[in-house]
Formats: sequence, C-alpha cells, structure tokens
Amino acid sequence: KQEVTQIPAALSVPEGENLVLNCSFTDSAIYNLQWFRQDPGKGLTSLLLIQSSQREQTSGRLNASLDKSSGRSTLYIAASQPGDSATYLCAVNFGNEKLTFGTGTRLTIIP
Amino acid sequence: NAGVMQNPRHLVRRRGQEARLRCSPMKGHSHVYWYRQLPEEGLKFMVYLQKENIIDESGMPKERFSAEFPKEGPSILRIQQVVRGDSAAYFCASSLVGTSGSGNEQFFGPGTRLTVL
Repeated sequence: KQEVTQIPAALSVPEGENLVLNCSFTDSAIYNLQWFRQDPGKGLTSLLLIQSSQREQTSGRLNASLDKSSGRSTLYIAASQPGDSATYLCAVNFGNEKLTFGTGTRLTIIP
Repeated sequence: NAGVMQNPRHLVRRRGQEARLRCSPMKGHSHVYWYRQLPEEGLKFMVYLQKENIIDESGMPKERFSAEFPKEGPSILRIQQVVRGDSAAYFCASSLVGTSGSGNEQFFGPGTRLTVL
C-alpha cells in the first residue's frame, strides 16, 4: 500500500531558528513530490515540487530534498518567522495520476 | 493568469438535499482532480478527470457522488441526498499535463466547505 507519513504531527520552535520537517513514503517509484502549506480554514499553497530525477529544490528560505532510495523528503526552513506558522503537507505522486497526502505537521513559530 | 477557482466557498445543506460544487481549472489546464478533507483528517483523492472523461474515480464513494468535466464549463462534483458525514472541505486541483510530463504540478483551489445540518 502506498502511504505517506509525516512526523511529528506538531512542532513549536522559537522565531529565528532553522527547522526541518520530515516526510516518508512507502514506495520509492515516485513521479514527483510536492510540499504544500495550509493555513487554518484555507486552501493549499504549493511551496516546492521535486521531480523524481531531482534531489532538491530551493525557493527563498525553503529547501526541499528528496531521497527516493530511503523513501524520505525533508523541508528545511531557514530563519523561521511567525508568518511561517501553518500546517505543512507532503504529497507524493506515485505515478497513478493522484497525490497521496501525509497528515501534515502543524508548525508554530513562537515570537 | 487566474488560479483554480472554486465556488461556492461555503455551502450549507440540510440532510437529503443535493450539493453541487464547481471548479474552474487554471487557463490551459485540462486535468482536474477532486480531493476531500474531513475534519481533523488529511486530504484524500476522490476523482481525476480530463475533458469529457472520468479517468480514475477510485476514491469516490460508489453511491450519491458523481463528477463531470464537460467540454465547455467548469468541472462539477455532485453529492445527492447529503448526510452529515459529507461535511468536509472539498478541494479541486488542476494540472497542465498528466503524471509523466513536465508541467505535472497540481495547483489547488481555495476549496468549498460543505456543512450538512
């Protein structure tokens, strides 16, 4: 069964710290992986997309890595800010035209 | 280029009524996906459509739910005879191409929050 897991479910860190969010998946034969941000009661904002042939992608203070062999991806956030507080979702495309989502990590940045 | 549009943003229905949710994909996108997010749960795939075709409906309940993406107009997710368990956020996404091509990133709409009384 193709599954995506995100641990921890919630994370609180002081403002200014760097942090890493984790995502693991059960099948290494993936097409791509997306990281999203979801604010309470809102939709999903796509942060980064990593194709299966890539190892990492960067956008501003965000860096996402992909290790297919170990079934893992990480989202690194540098110099965290209170505005980064949100739920971060990892979603994997296993090649069957749909995204399989993890249950997310709820991030709180403490001012 | 406007993003994925969904309407209504909020929908309230009484048990037994019908709910119609609309999704207009990004301009030029011909692939549409519907996902459901139940309270305190993750997003689950429901159905994948291309123009006038349902490609994969493996995540959609067999009864009361249907989806279409006509040649002209938005994609419609229809829920007949709604029950309280249908209360959820329904998200639509679109992509330029399917899985194997570049441009396969899925872009999400703001969602429709359905409340069944």
